[in-house]
Amino acid sequence: DIVLTQSPATLSLSPGERATLSCRASQSVSGYLGWYQQKPGQAPRLLIYDASNRATGIPARFSGSGAGTDFTLTISSLEPEDFAVYYCQHRRNWGLTFGGGTKVELK
Amino acid sequence: EVQLVESGGGLVKPGGSLRLSCAASGFTFSSNSMSWVRQAPGKGLEWVSSLSSTSSYIYYADSVKGRFTISRDNAKNSLFLQMDSLRAEDTAVYYCARESSSLVYIVDWGQGTLVTVSS
Repeated sequence: DIVLTQSPATLSLSPGERATLSCRASQSVSGYLGWYQQKPGQAPRLLIYDASNRATGIPARFSGSGAGTDFTLTISSLEPEDFAVYYCQHRRNWGLTFGGGTKVELK
Repeated sequence: EVQLVESGGGLVKPGGSLRLSCAASGFTFSSNSMSWVRQAPGKGLEWVSSLSSTSSYIYYADSVKGRFTISRDNAKNSLFLQMDSLRAEDTAVYYCARESSSLVYIVDWGQGTLVTVSS
């Protein structure tokens, strides 16, 4: 099974700063990697699909990159509403797998 | 607007059963693969089960295989999850989810329904 490892577990930043989140796969997932944002008490929301494509309605400050086993989600300048937990995700042949999440918290 | 509304959650004793339902609207339900994803309190996301548009393909996480059954009624735009032999570790918010056309991602989520397994 493919394991997705996210780092760091927690990122403490201030509004306006740049956030860089990492997701590493235990084996190559090609470019089939998604990123989700989850705020407290809410369902997750798809931000990025196929490693680098923004989902509908997602602001340009969110960007994704990477291929193979190493992927990055970058938030260029944090807005107050961006403080949340972020998950990466891949589909195996028969099921979905999620990373453990990175919490972006207010410093 | 896509809407996914779960129902059927609640408190159940270990070994008991529960049936979750998801009412879908705002898209062509019969053309989409659907999934259930859960989240234990304070924990991350865990995929539970997926079902193709015509129910031809059904997949389960190892943690629920043999205990949970996913099904759908395309005529009623509804998705179900029958949960039997429930354990304390099944306690979670259960999300109904619509898969992307590529079958790789989750593009829409319900608000979730809480299942608590406790004596």
